[in-house]
Amino acid sequence: GENVEQHPSTLSVQEGDSAVIKCTYSDSASNYFPWYKQELGKRPQLIIDIRSNVGEKKDQRIAVTLNKTAKHFSLHITETQPEDSAVYFCAASRRLWSGAGSYQLTFGKGTKLSVIP
Amino acid sequence: EPEVTQTPSHQVTQMGQEVILRCVPISNHLYFYWYRQILGQKVEFLVSFYNNEISEKSEIFDDQFSVERPDGSNFTLKIRSTKLEDSAMYFCASREDGYTDTQYFGPGTRLTVL
Repeated sequence: GENVEQHPSTLSVQEGDSAVIKCTYSDSASNYFPWYKQELGKRPQLIIDIRSNVGEKKDQRIAVTLNKTAKHFSLHITETQPEDSAVYFCAASRRLWSGAGSYQLTFGKGTKLSVIP
Repeated sequence: EPEVTQTPSHQVTQMGQEVILRCVPISNHLYFYWYRQILGQKVEFLVSFYNNEISEKSEIFDDQFSVERPDGSNFTLKIRSTKLEDSAMYFCASREDGYTDTQYFGPGTRLTVL
């Protein structure tokens, strides 16, 4: 089955600096890669996702890049703010183009991001 | 914006007891999931459910676990005889259909087995 590795496990940055979190996956058939933000005691919230037919996607201060050959994808947060402090999880999944399949998410272990004011 | 809801938010039970965790997925969604997160660890897939049957389950989802959609709105996870190691946060998620990607998570039920 799929295995997702995520690094680093903790990351501290100064407010205004950039943060980068990296993930690798093992199943070359995976084609969907979401990133979730989880604040303490709350539900995981989708912040950005990317599909395998795209190399990069950006949404304001957040961007995700995907390298299918190397089987890794990264989350980039620019101009970090204290409210970005949370645990970030990457995940991988495979959606069949027929629409069939359970499409379960395999998560990385998470990165605790602390943004220091 | 519609959200997945879960009840209760926290459940405390004695080892060996049965628990039922409840979820109300987003109303027009067709795919339902249960995940669990042991404290400080990653989110793990338990089971997926579509068209009133299990479509896939993980190794964690053994005979002690079962899922049901008893009516048109609820989706439940039952643990028949809880163990200490079942203590975790259990998240329900739903997805709209087979052609959309996003899974929306509920707020979770924290299960504590004593």
